[in-house]
Amino acid sequence: QVQLVQSGAEVKKPGASVKVSCKASGYNFSNFGITWLRQAPGQGLEWMGWISADSGATNYAQNLQGRVTMTKDKSTSTAYMELRSLRSDDTAVYYCARGVVSGPRGPCDYWGQGTLITVSS
Amino acid sequence: QSVLTQPPSASGTPGQRVTISCSGSSSNIGRNYVYWYQQLPGTAPKLLINRNNERPSGVPDRFSGSKSGTSASLAISGLRPEDEADYYCAAWDDSLSGVLFGGGTKLTVL
Repeated sequence: QVQLVQSGAEVKKPGASVKVSCKASGYNFSNFGITWLRQAPGQGLEWMGWISADSGATNYAQNLQGRVTMTKDKSTSTAYMELRSLRSDDTAVYYCARGVVSGPRGPCDYWGQGTLITVSS
Repeated sequence: QSVLTQPPSASGTPGQRVTISCSGSSSNIGRNYVYWYQQLPGTAPKLLINRNNERPSGVPDRFSGSKSGTSASLAISGLRPEDEADYYCAAWDDSLSGVLFGGGTKLTVL
C-alpha cells in the first residue's frame, strides 16, 4: 500500500532552518511527484511547492521563493523540504503528498501523517 | 486571505443533502481542474474529488463535484455523522503559477 512517512516534530528558534523528510513506499517513487503543503494551527491548507521525483524539477509558491528548497533522493525514495530563516508564522503542520510527475497542477492522492514545526524563541 | 472563497461553515442533519460552494476566477477555477479534500479532525487531508467531478477509488458515490464557469460545488447526499469534517477546494492559478486552496468549510452533522 502507498505510504508516506514523515520525520518527527521539531522546535526551532527564529532565524533557524528546518529540513523535513518524507519517505515513500508502496509505489514507484520516480513515477510521481511530491507536493509539500502546510497548515498553521486552526487555519486552512497552504500549498508550498512541488518536486518531480524523477527529474528533480521544482515549482515553489511565490511567497516562499528564496526560503524553501525541495529535494529528493531516488535511492531511498525520500523527498525533503528545507525552510530557512524561520519566523513564528512558519509554525504549522507540514505535509508531504504524492502528486503527478509531469507538473504541480495535479491532485494530491496520498498524504503523509504531517510534521509539526514550532518556531519559538 | 484565500482567493478561492468557501463558506466557513455548513450543517445538515443525517440523511440530508448539503452543498459547499467554492468561488474563484478565470485564472484558477475558470481554466483549471478543481479538487476537493476532506480533513477529518486530527488527521491528514484526503482527496475526495479529482478533476472537478471524479471520485477516487473508495470514495462513496454520496460525494459529487461539479464546476460551472468560475465556481465549483461539492455535494454530499445522505449525510452521515462521519462526514463531519473540514472540506477544502483547490485549483491551479495561472497568474500565481501555484495551487490555491479555499479557506475551508467546517461541516457539522446535527
